[in-house]
Amino acid sequence: AQSVTQLDSHVSVSEGTPVLLRCNYSSSYSPSLFWYVQHPNKGLQLLLKYTSAATLVKGINGFEAEFKKSETSFHLTKPSAHMSDAAEYFCGWASYDKVIFGPGTSLSVIP
Amino acid sequence: EAGVVQSPRYKIIEKKQPVAFWCNPISGHNTLYWYRQNLGQGPELLIRYENEEAVDDSQLPKDRFSAERLKGVDSTLKIQPAELGDSAVYLCASSQSPGLARNEQFFGPGTRLTVL
Repeated sequence: AQSVTQLDSHVSVSEGTPVLLRCNYSSSYSPSLFWYVQHPNKGLQLLLKYTSAATLVKGINGFEAEFKKSETSFHLTKPSAHMSDAAEYFCGWASYDKVIFGPGTSLSVIP
Repeated sequence: EAGVVQSPRYKIIEKKQPVAFWCNPISGHNTLYWYRQNLGQGPELLIRYENEEAVDDSQLPKDRFSAERLKGVDSTLKIQPAELGDSAVYLCASSQSPGLARNEQFFGPGTRLTVL
């Protein structure tokens, strides 16, 4: 069965420091993987997705993620956190017709 | 371009009462999804429509939940009767066509349901 694990329920960083949000997946075949962001009282917005092209995927707002098949990971990074990055982040696994979301990581950015 | 529209944004009801949520997807999007998001968790798919046909409702609790998309455009999700455990955010999403590896899914802001 396919599943998505987000290793940290909450991450806190200082403004201007790097961000690392971790995601591992379990799948019996090559997945499509996503990261979504959810700001308070807003819908989910797609940050980036991996679909078996380049393993390093660049997304919006300076975020990027690297697909590592050997580690079954798809961690999200950003070199320098901004206050507006504070939100909930969801890693997702996608097949043709459904997405399985991880439990989410809440990112706090300290001024 | 307008995004996915949902109403109401918030709803508070007493248990055993009925409740309905409405969703209008992005114009031209044939695929519509309803998700439930419990507090502190990721969204979980309830039902997926291709035009007016429900093609995946395996996770929809059919004893109390129902959904419709009569003309293949907007959709309504109903709970009758509501239970305390139904308190959650109900998200609607749409995509131009199936195949989520290639088609982006756009989400509405959700309806936050509180059952007292």
